[in-house]
Amino acid sequence: DQQVKQNSPSLSVQEGRISILNCDYTNSMFDYFLWYKKYPAEGPTFLISISSIKDKNEDGRFTVFLNKSAKHLSLHIVPSQPGDSAVYFCAAQNMDSNYQLIWGAGTKLIIKP
Amino acid sequence: EAQVTQNPRYLITVTGKKLTVTCSQNMNHEYMSWYRQDPGLGLRQIYYSMNVEVTDKGDVPEGYKVSRKEKRNFPLILESPSPNQTSLYFCASSLTANTEAFFGQGTRLTVV
Repeated sequence: DQQVKQNSPSLSVQEGRISILNCDYTNSMFDYFLWYKKYPAEGPTFLISISSIKDKNEDGRFTVFLNKSAKHLSLHIVPSQPGDSAVYFCAAQNMDSNYQLIWGAGTKLIIKP
Repeated sequence: EAQVTQNPRYLITVTGKKLTVTCSQNMNHEYMSWYRQDPGLGLRQIYYSMNVEVTDKGDVPEGYKVSRKEKRNFPLILESPSPNQTSLYFCASSLTANTEAFFGQGTRLTVV
């Protein structure tokens, strides 16, 4: 039973356009959400996060939106660049579980030139 | 350079032959953890350590052991590897449990 779900295994976007990656979760106790980016043959690297008390967090081209009532978050990348091609993981944690990170299966983003 | 170093990067071994994957961090982080990544499942936590001499089970601890005798090192031990432990393994460290995690480059393990 996956508590964090990324239902799109892959996504293809034209360079310069907006990329939207989605993530759904089932555990309402999650209080912190993170996005990680992973290139082939490398470990994941932290991208952006959001606390459950917020609905939006922005960092340059990256914005994460959180809809708690829908248990849904999304990562927007604007404008998309070729270097953004990678696998993106959504992860969630909560204080009651010692902040254990629960991960989605990942979405492979391909930016077409 | 701040980093998490895992060794080896690639390993092919036979069923039942004990092996250790090392993990070392140079950031003085308290929290360290091991994950395995399998297709379609994302990363699943095997074990974690909140500090020296403090370790606890994650979601998939069966068949694995860890130790945290010193802050910088967190080795993963497979006493008797089996083919279902064939996977991509990542070590991670963070200042505390709820801060940004830094990952090693991964160890691809094949058990035949």
